[in-house]
Amino acid sequence: KNEVEQSPQNLTAQEGEFITINCSYSVGISALHWLQQHPGGGIVSLFMLSSGKKKHGRLIATINIQEKHSSLHITASHPRDSAVYICAVITSGSRLTFGEGTQLTVNP
Amino acid sequence: KAGVTQTPRYLIKTRGQQVTLSCSPISGHRSVSWYQQTPGQGLQFLFEYFSETQRNKGNFPGRFSGRQFSNSRSEMNVSTLELGDSALYLCASSLQQGNTEAFFGQGTRLTVV
Repeated sequence: KNEVEQSPQNLTAQEGEFITINCSYSVGISALHWLQQHPGGGIVSLFMLSSGKKKHGRLIATINIQEKHSSLHITASHPRDSAVYICAVITSGSRLTFGEGTQLTVNP
Repeated sequence: KAGVTQTPRYLIKTRGQQVTLSCSPISGHRSVSWYQQTPGQGLQFLFEYFSETQRNKGNFPGRFSGRQFSNSRSEMNVSTLELGDSALYLCASSLQQGNTEAFFGQGTRLTVV
């Protein structure tokens, strides 16, 4: 079993829909990243959080440390949100352990 | 402020050769981590450097090595290349170790033929 599990693996939505991607982890962490990767490889960190909730524009990330679970929400989804979203946890130092990613496709 | 710069962006090497990849972190960042991304294994941690010292190492063979210079720039080296080393190699820089945001470079796409 992977230390970081994401669901769903693939997600197709219509423009405007509310999207949720889930991440569960089984190890002790100091913080969790939500990352976005577009075709071509570049990775952007959307959020780093260790408790509670963060919001940036149409993106919201929450984490429940007791339940070892985090969610990434996208409100009013848009085709430009199409990308791979990756959950990554910090376990020691700056070392990241990654989930397998969620391929999101938003159709116009 | 310049982002994380990785060079080269693309590289084609032959089995048995060796390769050196470079990562220049954001100015002021002292922690550099390296990751390998393949379709089969996803993203996997290679190693982490902070203040010129390797602080963490992933589960990769000794053919994979790295170093960090006094200006925080880092290099990773892969010797005796195998076909399975074909991957996207990403580096990430952070201000400090631990709970600080990671900023990723665009990666180096290595193809071993």
